[in-house]
Amino acid sequence: KAGVTQTPRYLIKTRGQQVTLSCSPISGHRSVSWYQQTPGQGLQFLFEYFSETQRNKGNFPGRFSGRQFSNSRSEMNVSTLELGDSALYLCASNTGGGSYYGYTFGSGTRLTVV
Amino acid sequence: AQSVSQHNHHVILSEAASLELGCNYSYGGTVNLFWYVQYPGQHLQLLLKYFSGDPLVKGIKGFEAEFIKSKFSFNLRKPSVQWSDTAEYFCAVIPYGGSQGNLIFGKGTKLSVKP
Repeated sequence: KAGVTQTPRYLIKTRGQQVTLSCSPISGHRSVSWYQQTPGQGLQFLFEYFSETQRNKGNFPGRFSGRQFSNSRSEMNVSTLELGDSALYLCASNTGGGSYYGYTFGSGTRLTVV
Repeated sequence: AQSVSQHNHHVILSEAASLELGCNYSYGGTVNLFWYVQYPGQHLQLLLKYFSGDPLVKGIKGFEAEFIKSKFSFNLRKPSVQWSDTAEYFCAVIPYGGSQGNLIFGKGTKLSVKP
């Protein structure tokens, strides 16, 4: 079965702009989590969506938001971009039944803010 | 707050050497534990996971990990590494009953294997 698909793979944006990233989970998976990966901070949890509802949220400012559609695809949005938002953004797909079933990661979107 | 520590930032080994990567977590309750690997230019892949039962867990590609509850550790091992094991390795934890999807990751250990 197809894996987790993230688009686009690369993005370059200017400070102050906003950006939307997309994640399509494995077919049948209903949970999507988002992570930010940077060399300094490592992998940090942004939020998790299940059945179109945000179920959990990490410690990121309100500029970071997301949503999930009825087909389980998820988008995350970052408004008023800052240089420090440059990172690899990863999403992870899960059945929604809990961590026992594991998390499958996509290849990520590399965001560069200039 | 819960955290995960990976002791080594960068490990360099020759082929056929044995590998042990350390991972400690800070949480007093029951945890679910994972090791992920990220090969250059590729996505994170699950190597192995521990939920309960036998504390010695076997994963893919000859890797294994041992959960030692008293030491809050979950170290990754491989008896004989290959050049193809060059990658970055991440330990991750979810406290049992903790927030869904919120894997707490260590900072990662880069492994370089010399042919």
